[in-house]
Amino acid sequence: SYELTQPPSVSVSSGQTASITCSGDKLGNKYACWYQQKPGQSPVLVIYQGRKRPSGIPARFSGSSSGNTATLTISGSQAMDEADYHCQAWDSSTVVFGGGTKLTVL
Amino acid sequence: QVQLVQSGAEVKKPGASVKVSCKASGYTFTNFDINWVRQATGQGLEWMGWMNPNSGNTGYAQKFQGRVTMTRNTSISTAHMELSGLRSDDAAVYYCARSPTGVLPYYFDSWGQGTLVAVSS
Repeated sequence: SYELTQPPSVSVSSGQTASITCSGDKLGNKYACWYQQKPGQSPVLVIYQGRKRPSGIPARFSGSSSGNTATLTISGSQAMDEADYHCQAWDSSTVVFGGGTKLTVL
Repeated sequence: QVQLVQSGAEVKKPGASVKVSCKASGYTFTNFDINWVRQATGQGLEWMGWMNPNSGNTGYAQKFQGRVTMTRNTSISTAHMELSGLRSDDAAVYYCARSPTGVLPYYFDSWGQGTLVAVSS
């Protein structure tokens, strides 16, 4: 079965750029999406189809991919961006999630 | 605005079944698929399957086939997910989530607030 791998945690200083990676076989061809989840809340879509931002998501969130890796980049990280981030892909008629990455903004 | 409102928390005994509902508003219910995703405490997200509210067609993750049933009542814009043969490791928050019908790859642009299911003897 298809698997997605994320680092358990990433730290970034306030105002700096955070990069969260998601790895999977040929993931660059699968147009991954990303969700933000704050404690006690439901996930929120922040990137879909690889690099598109839903309405209302700040422009500091961006997505990219190449080869086996998709990356969520948060430019100018803010305290409010501290959350868990989950990548998700579609493979063989199945939705697959990564294990999630906890982003800490210092 | 788009809203998915789920039913309240449940406590079930091992071996029992649980049925969680998800009422949609703010959009045409039959124009978007409803998916179910669960999350055990401190764990990641796990997809359970999808349902097309227009046709009633479903697709279940292999792990849950034979134990999960997804249905809908279009007259009240409500989707249901029933999970049978509950075990302790089924304890989790269960979410419904909307995805645009016929659009691949899947993504979920709106989520319910979650329903906590506890399994305890």
